[in-house]
Amino acid sequence: SQQGEEDPQALSIQEGENATMNCSYKTSINNLQWYRQNSGRGLVHLILIRSNEREKHSGRLRVTLDTSKKSSSLLITASRAADTASYFCATNTGNQFYFGTGTSLTVIP
Amino acid sequence: SAVISQKPSRDICQRGTSLTIQCQVDSQVTMMFWYRQQPGQSLTLIATANQGSEATYESGFVIDKFPISRPNLTFSTLTVSNMSPEDSSIYLCSAGDNEKLFFGSGTQLSVL
Repeated sequence: SQQGEEDPQALSIQEGENATMNCSYKTSINNLQWYRQNSGRGLVHLILIRSNEREKHSGRLRVTLDTSKKSSSLLITASRAADTASYFCATNTGNQFYFGTGTSLTVIP
Repeated sequence: SAVISQKPSRDICQRGTSLTIQCQVDSQVTMMFWYRQQPGQSLTLIATANQGSEATYESGFVIDKFPISRPNLTFSTLTVSNMSPEDSSIYLCSAGDNEKLFFGSGTQLSVL
């Protein structure tokens, strides 16, 4: 399977704290993307980082990529209750997208 | 940006029957994919829907069980054939390009 692994599987934090989730993958990639899923239905794209980039920011999101270790991390700063969701990394190999195992984030008000 | 309409949103089917799921995108897209997701699990890629040609299936998925059509750049169907309870899952259509995928809201399938 080309599916990536994410950790932790589940994360529970207080509102205002930062949340960090990690993704490891197996193959060479064109880019890596992070998605959010609420209520087990459609996913929403959050941020993309290309294989030649090491760090990317978008609002309260910070993504890092280490292609030598085949790993990425997503940091959500100053978390809010509305950030409660499942988060998935997705590796783009050029022709397909493979999703990681996901991290379930709960932000407690 | 792309809006994806997927239907049906849910269905309950009898063992041995088939269900066709439709996916309509409101703009032309280069890529369309079909995924399966068990509750609380990750997404498993079933196949890439290729416009005007046979779909490209991932290991463990075959055309006889999951026939896929994509007659144009904005529409695709996935059929789940000869269903068994093990096919109960959420089926997701996605579309986009190499830099972003958009998702439909999914089809929740229950097979009795």
